[in-house]
Amino acid sequence: QKEVEQNSGPLSVPEGAIASLNCTYSDRGSQSFFWYRQYSGKSPELIMFIYSNGDKEDGRFTAQLNKASQYVSLLIRDSQPSDSATYLCAVNIRNTGNQFYFGTGTSLTVIP
Amino acid sequence: DAGVTQSPTHLIKTRGQQVTLRCSPKSGHDTVSWYQQALGQGPQFIFQYYEEEERQRGNFPDRFSGHQFPNYSSELNVNALLLGDSALYLCASSLKSNYGYTFGSGTRLTVV
Repeated sequence: QKEVEQNSGPLSVPEGAIASLNCTYSDRGSQSFFWYRQYSGKSPELIMFIYSNGDKEDGRFTAQLNKASQYVSLLIRDSQPSDSATYLCAVNIRNTGNQFYFGTGTSLTVIP
Repeated sequence: DAGVTQSPTHLIKTRGQQVTLRCSPKSGHDTVSWYQQALGQGPQFIFQYYEEEERQRGNFPDRFSGHQFPNYSSELNVNALLLGDSALYLCASSLKSNYGYTFGSGTRLTVV
């Protein structure tokens, strides 16, 4: 069983809509959760992170964490064509140091 | 303030050869982690260096080795290259006490 799973997509949303990206993880010792955006041929860039249950908002992005259900999601409001990229979920598991387990990513396309 | 720099950006090697990839961390960061990202996959953790020692290691064979220098820069060495080693190799730096990663732009390795 993979530590982190994501729907590979592709996910298509119209411009201005809300894009919802989901991620599940298997290890209940997971303690921090990160969302990265990766444009084709580029390296991942950090969007935001969340440690505690609930919602965390940063501009158009909202991360949601539910440790009981072992899932974390990313909502992108007012989606723009420039948001078209692959979104990677990364999880840090307790006692593994600063090592992250990444999902395979969800490809998002925002249609103008 | 320079971010994480990696060299070279692209590399083509023949099966059985050896390769060395280089990484300079972001100013102020003392920890370097290396990841391998195959096409269409999420990054896979190779190992992490802190205080010139390997602190964590992922599920990679001993053909993968590394080094960290006193100035925090790092090298990744891969011996006896296989076709399956073809991937984007990402270096990420962070502060030991801080989970935030900054990724370099990566080295695209092609083994033929």
